Amino acid sequence: AQSVTQLDSQVPVFEEAPVELRCNYSSSVSVYLFWYVQYPNQGLQLLLKYLSGSTLVKGINGFEAEFNKSQTSFHLRKPSVHISDTAEYFCAVSDRLGGSQGNLIFGKGTKLSVKP
Amino acid sequence: DAGVTQSPTHLIKTRGQHVTLRCSPISGHKSVSWYQQVLGQGPQFIFQYYEKEERGRGNFPDRFSARQFPNYSSELNVNALLLGDSALYLCASSLAAGDTQYFGPGTRLTVL
Repeated sequence: AQSVTQLDSQVPVFEEAPVELRCNYSSSVSVYLFWYVQYPNQGLQLLLKYLSGSTLVKGINGFEAEFNKSQTSFHLRKPSVHISDTAEYFCAVSDRLGGSQGNLIFGKGTKLSVKP
Repeated sequence: DAGVTQSPTHLIKTRGQHVTLRCSPISGHKSVSWYQQVLGQGPQFIFQYYEKEERGRGNFPDRFSARQFPNYSSELNVNALLLGDSALYLCASSLAAGDTQYFGPGTRLTVL
């Protein structure tokens, strides 16, 4: 069984500062990794995903994440945040099932609050 | 292109009632998954359907059921509602059962 730990429940940061949202996972099998963003009163939007290949993954809105297999981590980064990045961010994993993605297991989320 | 759509947006029910939530996938997507997101938590997997067949079920009681129609839309049914069923119910669609999932805006269910 897999599990996902998002180490910070809330991250306050000033506009134009860099940010890192941390995610660690536990799994006995190989996994795929995802970051989703949820704006207030909305559903989840896919930011980026790691399926295979380069461990540095670039996503939408200037976000990127790095897969570190030895540390079982998939931290999300952005070099300069905007007020509009204020949202809740969810890290998720799924099994590799013969190359297909299994169902998503989510962390509890990190609320990013960008202040002017 | 239209994304995943869900109806209704909000719903208020009382304990013991039943509810039906609806989801239309992205055009061309044949798989639909349902998730429950309780306030302050990440989404939890309930069901996945692909080509009208159940492909996966999460750890939810039998009060929860779902089905998928020939046009790939889906319904989630919850019977004998409990206060703890209050949550945001999210639908996600994917091309096939093993592909990346794209989420709808959700249905907010409040059980009084």
